[in-house]
Amino acid sequence: AQKVTQAQTEISVVEKEDVTLDCVYETRDTTYYLFWYKQPPSGELVFLIRRNSFDEQNEISGRYSWNFQKSTSSFNFTITASQVVDSAVYFCALSGWSGATNKLIFGTGTLLAVQP
Amino acid sequence: DVKVTQSSRYLVKRTGEKVFLECVQDMDHENMFWYRQDPGLGLRLIYFSYDVKMKEKGDIPEGYSVSREKKERFSLILESASTNQTSMYLCASSPTGGSSYEQYFGPGTRLTVT
Repeated sequence: AQKVTQAQTEISVVEKEDVTLDCVYETRDTTYYLFWYKQPPSGELVFLIRRNSFDEQNEISGRYSWNFQKSTSSFNFTITASQVVDSAVYFCALSGWSGATNKLIFGTGTLLAVQP
Repeated sequence: DVKVTQSSRYLVKRTGEKVFLECVQDMDHENMFWYRQDPGLGLRLIYFSYDVKMKEKGDIPEGYSVSREKKERFSLILESASTNQTSMYLCASSPTGGSSYEQYFGPGTRLTVT
């Protein structure tokens, strides 16, 4: 069975602190994709990153970085020097195949509150 | 930019009413999805469609049905709304062609059933 676990329900930090959001996944597929989405208070999920299972290189995009470790089935997301605008719910997701098309399995999300 | 729109941001309905939630995408995507989002449960897949008139049940289809008569439009139907269907409903679309494609989401409809 495929599953995504985000153990951190809520995290609160003060602006400029670094914060890491954890994501652990389970799958028997050899080829799969992992995603992170951001859901700001407005409600619309915004795609942040996609990583395939054959690429374990870390990725950095501005203040955001992602650490993919197949050995521990983890795909963690770090925000450096957090800002109030980073306050949102963050979802980790895993690709799956339904037999007809691809679908996503989402974790339960982590609410990040960045205090000024 | 991909645009996914949903007919209402907020909706209040009475128990037993038939409710239609509409979703439209403008990128000619083959796949469309309906999720509900509840606190502590994340996003759960209700139904999805991979082609016009084609649909498949997701993880929680009970109490819902869907319709896809045109490629750009995917409707979620609550045949007889109940209070436990009060939730945030999110529509998404994606192109076909393997599992690499991210899904693009609409702004969501917050449905309250009283």
